[in-house]
Amino acid sequence: AQSVAQPEDQVNVAEGNPLTVKCTYSVSGNPYLFWYVQYPNRGLQFLLKYITGDNLVKGSYGFEAEFNKSQTSFHLKKPSALVSDSALYFCAVRDPTSGTYKYIFGTGTRLKVLA
Amino acid sequence: DARVTQTPRHKVTEMGQEVTMRCQPILGHNTVFWYRQTMMQGLELLAYFRNRAPLDDSGMPKDRFSAEMPDATLATLKIQPSEPRDSAVYFCASGLGGINSPLHFGNGTRLTVT
Repeated sequence: AQSVAQPEDQVNVAEGNPLTVKCTYSVSGNPYLFWYVQYPNRGLQFLLKYITGDNLVKGSYGFEAEFNKSQTSFHLKKPSALVSDSALYFCAVRDPTSGTYKYIFGTGTRLKVLA
Repeated sequence: DARVTQTPRHKVTEMGQEVTMRCQPILGHNTVFWYRQTMMQGLELLAYFRNRAPLDDSGMPKDRFSAEMPDATLATLKIQPSEPRDSAVYFCASGLGGINSPLHFGNGTRLTVT
């Protein structure tokens, strides 16, 4: 069965420092991986995705994510955090061999960027 | 900028009442998902549709929840009768049919059942 784990409930980082939000996955086939961000009282917004190709994927708002097949990870990164990056971040996976269109979401990681 | 529209944004109702939540997916999107978000359970998939046909509603309590797509521009989620444990934020999301297509979420309906 496909699954996604976000091992940290919360990540605190100082403004200007690099940030990493962790995600690991488990699927039977090659994964399609996504990151979403949720601001208060809003729906989730798509940040970036990995389908195939380069392991480093660039997305919106200066975020990027690194796909590591051997470690089954897809960590979200940003070189320099902004206070406005404070939000809830979700990793999601789709397994193209599963025969379904389901997205499996992680439990979310709350990012706090401190001024 | 195309967006998924959900109504109402907030709903407060008494236990036992019927609740209907509506979603207008982005024009041209052929998959629609309903999620429920709570602090305890996180994001739960309730149901999803492709080309208006229900593909999976195994996440829904069958005795009280129902989801439909009367047409391509409207998806509905009904709860009858509602219970306090149904209090949550309900999100609708739509997407193109491709496996690599991201979802576009509405801003949700915050439901409070007293």
